[in-house]
Amino acid sequence: EVVMTQSPATLSVSPGERATLSCRASQSVSTNLAWYQQKPGQAPRLLIYGAYTRVTGIPDRFRGSGSGTEFTLTISGLQSEDFAVYYCQQYYVWPPCTFGQGTTVEIK
Amino acid sequence: EVHLVESGGGLVQRGGSLRLSCAASGFSFSTHSMNWVRRAPGKRLEWISYMTSDLRTIYYADSVQGRFTISRDNAKSTVSLQMNNLRVEDTAVYYCVVSVAAYYPHWGQGTLVTVSS
Repeated sequence: EVVMTQSPATLSVSPGERATLSCRASQSVSTNLAWYQQKPGQAPRLLIYGAYTRVTGIPDRFRGSGSGTEFTLTISGLQSEDFAVYYCQQYYVWPPCTFGQGTTVEIK
Repeated sequence: EVHLVESGGGLVQRGGSLRLSCAASGFSFSTHSMNWVRRAPGKRLEWISYMTSDLRTIYYADSVQGRFTISRDNAKSTVSLQMNNLRVEDTAVYYCVVSVAAYYPHWGQGTLVTVSS
């Protein structure tokens, strides 16, 4: 099973600033990496798949990068609606696909 | 618009059973693989079961293997999860999820399962 580790656990950012979230895999997952956003009481929402491909309708301030074992989600110009928990997920080695423990982006 | 509505969650005693259902609409259900994913309190998201559109391939997480059974009815656009011999650690919000190449573009709102000791 591939273990996904996200850092930091919590990120305090002011609106309008940039947030950089990291995700590390315990072995290479190529670019089979997705990012999700989850707000309280809501289901996770897919933002990015294939490490860097944005889902239709996701603003271009969300940018995914990386391959192999190291991945980054960058959110530029944070908006109020972006404060949430973000999860990475690998789907290169499955079953099981596995998720990171999440990074909470909170208002500074 | 894709719509997934889970039902069947609730409070059950340890060792008991529950059956979750998910009604799907807004997409071609019979051509998509379906999954159940859960999130226990304070834990990360955990994939637990998968079934292909043709019902031929089924996978389970080790944590539920032998206790949970996934099924689907393509004519009714529903997918179900029969959960037996429930444990306290099965307490979680359970999500019905559509998969595409093993990532998850569509999720239901979830249904809460609470297993008491």
